[in-house]
Amino acid sequence: QSALTQPASVSGSPGQSITISCTGTSSDVGGYNYVSWYQQHPGKAPKLMIYEVSNRPSGISNRFSGSKSGNTASLTISGLQAEDEADYYCSSYRSSTTPHYVFGTGTKVTVL
Amino acid sequence: QITLKESGPTLVKPTQTLTLTCTFSGFSLSTSGVGVGWIRQPPGKALEWLALIYWNDDVRYSPSLKSRLTITKDTSKNQVVLTMTNMDPVDTATYFCAHVRNIAAHSWGQGTLVTVSS
Repeated sequence: QSALTQPASVSGSPGQSITISCTGTSSDVGGYNYVSWYQQHPGKAPKLMIYEVSNRPSGISNRFSGSKSGNTASLTISGLQAEDEADYYCSSYRSSTTPHYVFGTGTKVTVL
Repeated sequence: QITLKESGPTLVKPTQTLTLTCTFSGFSLSTSGVGVGWIRQPPGKALEWLALIYWNDDVRYSPSLKSRLTITKDTSKNQVVLTMTNMDPVDTATYFCAHVRNIAAHSWGQGTLVTVSS
């Protein structure tokens, strides 16, 4: 199955805001509010940052926010900090003859 | 506090069957809406959903791997087992299990690296 499409890399200076896109289809991102975002530092397990498009789990900074428009979901990191440098993945429910879940291709965030 | 830990072989030979166990604590797989999923990540590559089992025994498999995967749960032992048949070197990856709610993986295990090589 095909992965959701993310930019390979995004960069920004400390204090700036960046946005990571996640593009799918009407069978996944566009059709359901089941988009989640994960942060992964090297050698570590992923960490849930956003679920159901825009909800933050307890303990996640409000510098992280999620949204969706059509078939594209977005993760915005405001007030960029050095500790935000990591890989980020989106994920979505996908309907098909066999409903399942898919991840995005991943985005490397670099803090300049 | 929710914790999950993956266990199983670190090395398997091509064509063999891989069996991984996820042992968890801090939640019950008999609670409505709760699931446990398996995700893998080849070295240097992206995450990939493999399988997910819910409290009501509903299961979801990756369509591309469905023929090779089986996921089961033992609620009394707080364990979920994933089997993958006919292993190939391209299946070399870190395998994670995760606690799932609201169609999202809220908590993850540390992962276990499985290498497929003769």
